[in-house]
Amino acid sequence: KQEVTQIPAALSVPEGENLVLNCSFTDSAIYNLQWFRQDPGKGLTSLLLIQSSQREQTSGRLNASLDKSSGRSTLYIAASQPGDSATYLCAVADHNNNDMRFGAGTRLTVKP
Amino acid sequence: NAGVTQTPKFRILKIGQSMTLQCTQDMNHNYMYWYRQDPGMGLKLIYYSVGAGITDKGEVPNGYNVSRSTTEDFPLRLELAAPSQTSVYFCASSSRQSTSNTGELFFGEGSRLTVL
Repeated sequence: KQEVTQIPAALSVPEGENLVLNCSFTDSAIYNLQWFRQDPGKGLTSLLLIQSSQREQTSGRLNASLDKSSGRSTLYIAASQPGDSATYLCAVADHNNNDMRFGAGTRLTVKP
Repeated sequence: NAGVTQTPKFRILKIGQSMTLQCTQDMNHNYMYWYRQDPGMGLKLIYYSVGAGITDKGEVPNGYNVSRSTTEDFPLRLELAAPSQTSVYFCASSSRQSTSNTGELFFGEGSRLTVL
């Protein structure tokens, strides 16, 4: 059964810093991995999707990497802004079980 | 672009009542999912379906039932509501019909349920 872990649970940084959020998973037989953003009281916004055969994806200031062999993905945010403050969730689509499991999320605060 | 539509957005139930959360998608996705999210927590998978007529339990299925009679609809039924089922419920869908499908997950806006 796939287990997804996100570290740290919370992170506070000053505006302008580059930062890395971590996601680890226990079963490397994945279909894809997806990063989401969630603002308080809101739904989920998809940020980046990495297919099983890919190593990374980029969108603007965001870069997500995938290392299946070590069961890890990172979300890199460059030049952070107060508007980046939110909870970031990673989700892993399992290849064998057809389900999709989430980590508990990292709550990011970017201080002006 | 309707995408994934959930109803109702808000509902208050009394203990022991039953209700159905509706979810429909218009993207012809074969996979559909129901998640719950408790305050300050991640999403927990309740049930999922890989196609019409096929459903499977997720991490936290107790107290819930689902059906998938059509590709578009995936209702979640709560029988004998309990305070522990107070949560925000999210429905999602994706497509894995062929290797060309990315399997990207699309979410509804959520249904906030309170059981008193």
